[in-house]
Formats: sequence, C-alpha cells, structure tokens
Amino acid sequence: DVKVTQSSRYLVKRTGEKVFLECVQDMDHENMFWYRQDPGLGLRLIYFSYDVKMKEKGDIPEGYSVSREKKERFSLILESASTNQTSMYLCASSSGTGAGGYTFGSGTRLTVV
Amino acid sequence: QKEVEQNSGPLSVPEGAIASLNCTYSDRGSQSFFWYRQYSGKSPELIMFIYSNGDKEDGRFTAQLNKASQYVSLLIRDSQPSDSATYLCALLRGGTASKLTFGTGTRLQVTL
Repeated sequence: DVKVTQSSRYLVKRTGEKVFLECVQDMDHENMFWYRQDPGLGLRLIYFSYDVKMKEKGDIPEGYSVSREKKERFSLILESASTNQTSMYLCASSSGTGAGGYTFGSGTRLTVV
Repeated sequence: QKEVEQNSGPLSVPEGAIASLNCTYSDRGSQSFFWYRQYSGKSPELIMFIYSNGDKEDGRFTAQLNKASQYVSLLIRDSQPSDSATYLCALLRGGTASKLTFGTGTRLQVTL
C-alpha cells in the first residue's frame, strides 16, 4: 500500500526551540507539500516542492523553512517555535501533473508551550 | 470572493437518506475537482475526482460537475453514521501545476 509517512503523530515543544517535521513518501512522487490546518481556517499551504532541492513558498511561509535533499523526503523546519504555530501539520504528495490529487500523511499535532 | 466556497454546515441527514454536498468556485480555468473526506483528528482521504462535465459514480458516491455554473457537488446515497465527517472540496487550476486549492469543508452528520 502506497504511503506518506510523517515521523511523529503528536509533538510537544517549547517556545524558541527549533522543530523538525519529517515526511517520507514511497510513491516516487515529484511533488510534495506542507500544510497546516486550524479550526475555521481550513488547509493553508506553507511550502511545496516540485523537485529535489527545489522549494516554493506557499501562502503562509513566515517562520518556516523546508528541505528536500532526496525525492522521497520533505522536511518542514520551524526555526524558532512560537505558540501561534500550535497546529495540525499535514504533509502530502502528488504525481507530476497532480491529476490524481494528493495523498496525505497521517498528520502531526504540534503543541508549542 | 473565495476561490473555493463550501457551506461549513453542519449538514444533518437521517440514516439511509441522500446527502448532498455542494461547492462553488471562482476560476473558470479550473481543470479537475476532488472530494476528500476527513474524520475528526485524522488526515483527509481522497474519495473521488472529476474533470468532465456531468456525473461520475463510485459506489454510493456520485460527483457532479457543471463548469458553466462553476459548481461541483457530491451525493452520498444511503448515508450511514460512518459517513459523518468533514468533506473538503478541492480543485486544480490551470497554470498552477499540481497545487490544489481547498475549500474549508462541510461537516456532515448522519443521524440514527
């Protein structure tokens, strides 16, 4: 069964910490995405990548960075975690054209205290 | 105007009834349309997609697309309590490669 795997299901971090969220897909997909989801705000795109070592800003990139050193892995980095970054983080991947839609990972519920 | 609009609900239907979920969009260049189901605390899962005008059926689910009127809908026949979830509409716009634009979702409650 094809999968998008996020390294942690629940995470609690302190304000100011550097946080790494990892995502790995085994579908040989070109495209990978990081979203956050908050009640009433829906899914908001943070960053995405169409290829290895390539990245593009989404709608809310402030306070985040990403890394894609290998095709199957896309990492989201919170440079200095803040309480307003408490959220559900979702990783997704898709084929080159996106015609088949996204496959999502199971999500990481991050709490910053 | 939002790119993708959905009524947040909740939409309440009795068990066995047909649930009708609607989505409108603003960009006429939109090419493909997707319906995702998301249970509380879980990630979205793809139910079906449609890119041609008309109906597309998959089991109890039917997606309907009307590009002239810029709406897409999802019908769920014989609704079950297990269908209670939030349903997200998403679209793929022309010129944006594979990036989907999501609505904020409609919460469906199927009552016994």
